[in-house]
Amino acid sequence: DGGITQSPKYLFRKEGQNVTLSCEQNLNHDAMYWYRQDPGQGLRLIYYSQRVNDFQKGEIAEGYSVSREKKESFPLTVTSAQKNPTAFYLCASSIRTGPYNEQFFGPGTRLTVL
Amino acid sequence: GQQLNQSPQSMFIQEGEDVSMNCTSSSIFNTWLWYKQDPGEGPVLLIALYKAGELTSNGRLTAQFGITRKDSFLNISASIPSDVGIYFCAGLLRGSQGNLIFGKGTKLSVKP
Repeated sequence: DGGITQSPKYLFRKEGQNVTLSCEQNLNHDAMYWYRQDPGQGLRLIYYSQRVNDFQKGEIAEGYSVSREKKESFPLTVTSAQKNPTAFYLCASSIRTGPYNEQFFGPGTRLTVL
Repeated sequence: GQQLNQSPQSMFIQEGEDVSMNCTSSSIFNTWLWYKQDPGEGPVLLIALYKAGELTSNGRLTAQFGITRKDSFLNISASIPSDVGIYFCAGLLRGSQGNLIFGKGTKLSVKP
């Protein structure tokens, strides 16, 4: 089955701890994205990557970090510098960036910082 | 940053009713995408539009790429209970490298 997987589905962490969210895709897509979703808000872009070893900041990158060592994987680390990390995090991928950019989403990870 | 205005913010539906929602902007877009999100899940792509004036259907859903390229519309005909959820529009600005801009969503609920 082709698709995007995110793990875990629910994550609880204490304030001040870094936490890493996993995102894997087997669609052979070049581009991958991380979004944050808060109630009543649209999706806000955190980071995106157009290819391996490449990534760019999105609208709300502060307090987050990413890596792209493999085409299939784009993990997101929520650092202790992120002031309000409790949110629903969505990973997406597309064949490439640019025109015809149909992004497909994973099931999401809900992070709660206690 | 760029804004997409999606309306209505929420609406109640009764089974069998037709539903309409739209997204507007002051900027020109090359692509419009419509997604549906169920609670606690990731958005699912419903319809993709690439040409001004394009009208595309997916079952009971029909979406249109506005002729001015600054808006898009989604219609759901003969709604059923499983249509409940949040619908998002997303657009790709003309000349953009590929980062979608998302509307804030239209929440469909069943009339009490």
